[in-house]
Amino acid sequence: EIVLTQSPGTLSLSPGERATLSCRASQSVSSSYLAWYQQKPGQAPRLLIYGASSRATGIPDRFSGSGSGTDFTLTISRLEPEDFAVYYCQQYGSSPPNTFGQGTKLEIK
Amino acid sequence: QVTLKESGPVLVKPTETLTLTCTVSGFSLSNARMGVSWIRQPPGKALEWLAHIFSNDEKSYSTSLKSRLTISKDTSKSQVVLTMTNMDPVDTATYYCARINLLAHAFDIWGQGTMVTVSS
Repeated sequence: EIVLTQSPGTLSLSPGERATLSCRASQSVSSSYLAWYQQKPGQAPRLLIYGASSRATGIPDRFSGSGSGTDFTLTISRLEPEDFAVYYCQQYGSSPPNTFGQGTKLEIK
Repeated sequence: QVTLKESGPVLVKPTETLTLTCTVSGFSLSNARMGVSWIRQPPGKALEWLAHIFSNDEKSYSTSLKSRLTISKDTSKSQVVLTMTNMDPVDTATYYCARINLLAHAFDIWGQGTMVTVSS
């Protein structure tokens, strides 16, 4: 089973700053099968990035994804107040077909 | 508009069987490029994928929970059903159903979730 490890566990930044979130896989993951989600308190997760770097419908271009193999990154170029949330990476394809990382909480400094 | 909505009991007793229903609209369960997954989230914890089902009735389960889970679908009713046997307090969580988009290999639409508490 592929294990996804996200770092840091908590990231404290101010609005306007750049956020860099990491997701490391225990085995190589196809870039086509790596996604990122945002979850706000009391809400369901929302798809941000799929295929490691493609933005989902309606996602602002300040969100970008990159990486390959075992190392993937979600970058938020300039933090807006509504971006403070928990972010999860997810891989699709290996057995079991889906696993999530443990999440990174992005909090206001 | 694509929506998914979970329904089921709010409270179950230990050792009971949980049955959850996901009713979808805006797409068909016979669409070969889509599937439906169940995912849960204990309070304050991370997401955990449980199971999925596709139009051809292909099913897959979490390795750790496989013996307790059954997923099925009724295409005519646009419903996907998950059963989980032998419920325990550690199974207390919000249970989500989500659409798998095979063009993106990701969960592109999620239900609002339903909170299930396991307690005597």
